[in-house]
Amino acid sequence: ETGVTQSPTHLIKTRGQQVTLRCSSQSGHNTVSWYQQALGQGPQFIFQYYREEENGRGNFPPRFSGLQFPNYSSELNVNALELDDSALYLCASSEGGGAVKTQYFGPGTRLLVL
Amino acid sequence: QKEVEQNSGPLSVPEGAIASLNCTYSDRGSQSFFWYRQYSGKSPELIMFIYSNGDKEDGRFTAQLNKASQYVSLLIRDSQPSDSATYLCAVSNTGNQFYFGTGTSLTVIP
Repeated sequence: ETGVTQSPTHLIKTRGQQVTLRCSSQSGHNTVSWYQQALGQGPQFIFQYYREEENGRGNFPPRFSGLQFPNYSSELNVNALELDDSALYLCASSEGGGAVKTQYFGPGTRLLVL
Repeated sequence: QKEVEQNSGPLSVPEGAIASLNCTYSDRGSQSFFWYRQYSGKSPELIMFIYSNGDKEDGRFTAQLNKASQYVSLLIRDSQPSDSATYLCAVSNTGNQFYFGTGTSLTVIP
């Protein structure tokens, strides 16, 4: 177990709805990264938050947005859900700043969009 | 576009054999390289990381890095059926953002 938690574990939504996914980082970690993993693919980087600021973003549209809170937990929000948003959403926490730090993954939230 | 390429497999090896997993990357600025294991329906778990050219050993696992060739590999010695999983190669640049390959599916046959 990495100490990274995510909620909910599973979620079913319909096209056009909005969803919020939550992540609590491992103790001592101030950086949270979000990934989308479609079936049979590797995780794709969505964005990263470091000390409550966005610290990089992958090739995802603006309807994917996020927040990081003072306790370093984080939310991923997706508006106007599309069928292709169905995937496993992973958050990973790490120490921040300076050299590259290892990222530790939570169990993921499996989202199904109908 | 930062690309990480892996042979998707499936790779099958008999129990006790050496499994060799390979990964190439396109971004010469990449600084750190990670191997994760992912069981079906689970999230990725870290196996090991490597920063410097050469070999790094951790138990039955050895990571090998060749930055000139933009190549990183993972060797699993004495493969066990419990090693059957998808192995993900991840590459990181100075921004601390990870780029993953699609993974190699490994099956260890008892």
